[in-house]
Amino acid sequence: DIQMTQSPSSLSASVGDRVTITCQASQDISNYLNWYQQKPGKAPKLLIYDASNLETGVTSRFSGGGSGTDFTFTIRSLQPEDIATYYCQQFDSPPLTFGGGTKVEIK
Amino acid sequence: QVQLVQSGAEVKKPGASVKVSCKASGYTLTSYYIHWVRQAPGQGLEWMGIINPSGDDTRSAQKFQGRVTMTRDTSTSTVYMELSSLRSEDTAVYYCATSGTYLSWLDAWGQGTLVTVSS
Repeated sequence: DIQMTQSPSSLSASVGDRVTITCQASQDISNYLNWYQQKPGKAPKLLIYDASNLETGVTSRFSGGGSGTDFTFTIRSLQPEDIATYYCQQFDSPPLTFGGGTKVEIK
Repeated sequence: QVQLVQSGAEVKKPGASVKVSCKASGYTLTSYYIHWVRQAPGQGLEWMGIINPSGDDTRSAQKFQGRVTMTRDTSTSTVYMELSSLRSEDTAVYYCATSGTYLSWLDAWGQGTLVTVSS
């Protein structure tokens, strides 16, 4: 199975800050990488697919990049509504696997 | 976008089985692959398996093989996931989610079904 390692596991930042989360795959997954946002008590929501494509209706403050084994997710200017846990997920080969999550809080 | 509605919370005893349903609201699921993902309390997301649009092909993660059964009723556009031989570690929220292809992003999710396994 492909292991997905996210870092940090949690972070605290101020409103307006630029926030970056990294996700590393245990093997080359090309650009087969997605990002999700999950708020407490809610289902995950797709934000980014194929590493860098913004899902329809998702704010452009979010962006993704990378390929191969190293990927990033960036929030350009952190807002209070961005408080959530973010997960990466690979779909290069089954089973689909997720990173451990990054909990984002406001300082 | 497809909206998925799942069945309600369940409480089961160890060794029992649970069957969770997932139905599309306002759409038919016949074009979609359906995944099942679970989340134990305070933990991350864990992919369990997938069923294809026609319902004749399922794949599951190795740890669930032999315990999970995924089926679909095309006449009612409902998908089911049954997990047997429940143990306390199976206490989790179970989600269904759609994708357009076998390996892809999960673009619509159900609201989740809490399954509690307790004696």
